Amino acid sequence: EDQVTQSPEALRLQEGESSSLNCSYTVSGLRGLFWYRQDPGKGPEFLFTLYSAGEEKEKERLKATLTKKESFLHITAPKPEDSATYLCAVSASNTGNQFYFGTGTSLTVIP
Amino acid sequence: NAGVTQTPKFQVLKTGQSMTLQCAQDMNHNSMYWYRQDPGMGLRLIYYSASEGTTDKGEVPNGYNVSRLNKREFSLRLESAAPSQTSVYFCASSNRGLYQPQHFGDGTRLSIL
Repeated sequence: EDQVTQSPEALRLQEGESSSLNCSYTVSGLRGLFWYRQDPGKGPEFLFTLYSAGEEKEKERLKATLTKKESFLHITAPKPEDSATYLCAVSASNTGNQFYFGTGTSLTVIP
Repeated sequence: NAGVTQTPKFQVLKTGQSMTLQCAQDMNHNSMYWYRQDPGMGLRLIYYSASEGTTDKGEVPNGYNVSRLNKREFSLRLESAAPSQTSVYFCASSNRGLYQPQHFGDGTRLSIL
């Protein structure tokens, strides 16, 4: 059973068109949920950590929120430079010493 | 401040050859990790080292070995490469603890013919 599921797999937005990416998880005892950005040919770049339901974090046009079963990455008025793959990962008491990653959402922002 | 540095960036091997992927971090992190990333699949943990002197298996350890050389360096070895090991390999590091984010290098793209 997948521990982390991200949707949609791919998303195309016009510049300025706000939207949200979803990360749902099925773990017990969440320690942390992590969002990353990955550009082609590069390693994942850390964006946010969320630790408990109700928590929110913001950075420029990005805002991450967390509930007991899912997290959303809201992108407000995106720009072409926001185009990337966004990954989420969880660490939990039933994942041992491992982080489990989703397969990502590939975001394309069209000028 | 380089962060996590991986070498080489690209490598092509023949089936049965061996090689070692190198990783070094300059953030004074205690924990280090090796992942592989394949199309349509999330990053999967191969091995990790929670602290200097310790290593443990992750989700997909078969066909690999690791060495935590010192606090900065963590290497991944393929003893007899197989086509199924064609992948992009990422090294990451973090402060000790499962609540801390991991920071990644830019990967080694490995093709096995």
